[in-house]
Amino acid sequence: QKEVEQDPGPLSVPEGAIVSLNCTYSNSAFQYFMWYRQYSRKGPELLMYTYSSGNKEDGRFTAQVDKSSKYISLFIRDSQPSDSATYLCAMSGTTYNTDKLIFGTGTRLQVFP
Amino acid sequence: GAGVSQSPSNKVTEKGKDVELRCDPISGHTALYWYRQSLGQGLEFLIYFQGNSAPDKSGLPSDRFSAERTGGSVSTLTIQRTQQEDSAVYLCASSRGTVNTEAFFGQGTRLTVV
Repeated sequence: QKEVEQDPGPLSVPEGAIVSLNCTYSNSAFQYFMWYRQYSRKGPELLMYTYSSGNKEDGRFTAQVDKSSKYISLFIRDSQPSDSATYLCAMSGTTYNTDKLIFGTGTRLQVFP
Repeated sequence: GAGVSQSPSNKVTEKGKDVELRCDPISGHTALYWYRQSLGQGLEFLIYFQGNSAPDKSGLPSDRFSAERTGGSVSTLTIQRTQQEDSAVYLCASSRGTVNTEAFFGQGTRLTVV
């Protein structure tokens, strides 16, 4: 079993839809949870970062962490064609020198006009 | 430069040859990561450098893979006796190294072994 599981998609939605992207994980030591966005032939870039459980909102994006269920989500409201990309969840622990990022496989999202 | 720089951007090599991939992290970043991304796959952790500590090499897939980081800055990932299954995009990232700051990625090196 992988430490981080993520549905690879692809997920295809119409413009304006609400998108829900999810990851599950097995390592209870993870404390930091991130979502990266990767456009084709580019490196990933950080979208959202959350510490421990709870919600965080940034514009059209909301990240949720439920540590009791080992489940994290990213919601995109009013999705736009420019949101078409691969979304990768990433996690790390708290112990110094072991904060390497562990990534999910990524979910490919396509938003069509 | 302002971002993480990787070179070359593309590399085609013959099976059995050795290759070196270079990463220039953001100045002042103490943490440096190497990941591998195969077609349609997520990022596979390879190795992690943090300051002067011993690197975490737990993700290196075989002893043909090695990496070093000189002077706490530039890093080189070396793959010896390349195989076709080594074909992938190799991504480097750096961060300030405190728990848990943003990791900035380079554009990657696309390695093709023929």
